[in-house]
Amino acid sequence: GESVGLHLPTLSVQEGDNSIINCAYSNSASDYFIWYKQESGKGPQFIIDIRSNMDKRQGQRVTVLLNKTVKHLSLQIAATQPGDSAVYFCAENGAGTALIFGKGTTLSVSS
Amino acid sequence: EAQVTQNPRYLITVTGKKLTVTCSQNMNHEYMSWYRQDPGLGLRQIYYSMNVEVTDKGDVPEGYKVSRKEKRNFPLILESPSPNQTSLYFCASRKKGLSGTEAFFGQGTRLTVV
Repeated sequence: GESVGLHLPTLSVQEGDNSIINCAYSNSASDYFIWYKQESGKGPQFIIDIRSNMDKRQGQRVTVLLNKTVKHLSLQIAATQPGDSAVYFCAENGAGTALIFGKGTTLSVSS
Repeated sequence: EAQVTQNPRYLITVTGKKLTVTCSQNMNHEYMSWYRQDPGLGLRQIYYSMNVEVTDKGDVPEGYKVSRKEKRNFPLILESPSPNQTSLYFCASRKKGLSGTEAFFGQGTRLTVV
């Protein structure tokens, strides 16, 4: 069954603001947690991952935070741009071979 | 160019008429998966394959079959489609192992069963 989920189905921000997208997971045995972005009419695309032995990982304008105590994952997008408008999925890659996705959060950026 | 190719992109069919959605990847990835995407339900895994001739059920396998006779191809078969299989389908591939977190997705197949 599904083991990851997101707190909010939608998030609306202004251009230039920082966005925070949250995800709760239930499988403590997962080794990696991943964020994907899905633009309209396209398949999901990999953004960033974090291994379970890390708390924070930064990419270009994105930061992923992992709090294993409360089983919480977040994606922070700095200086959000209209091109960041998309559906964001968290996923986990556990001890098995399945890549399990959450339900997704739709980020809308207005200028 | 590294890619996952699905065909067809759009398909309208009638209940009970067998259909196959093809998926091919050119990255020599071991792992391949099929997902369906429905509003409010996110991406749910139908079947996955770890390598040639190795397949396993995902979360929603009922009504679907797959095969993995070659490493690059992973077709999804609906032997007797029903309206509740109307959905957006994605094929994905990634390299093996726990570090294979970057899955490459096809463009999707929008299936309507009437």
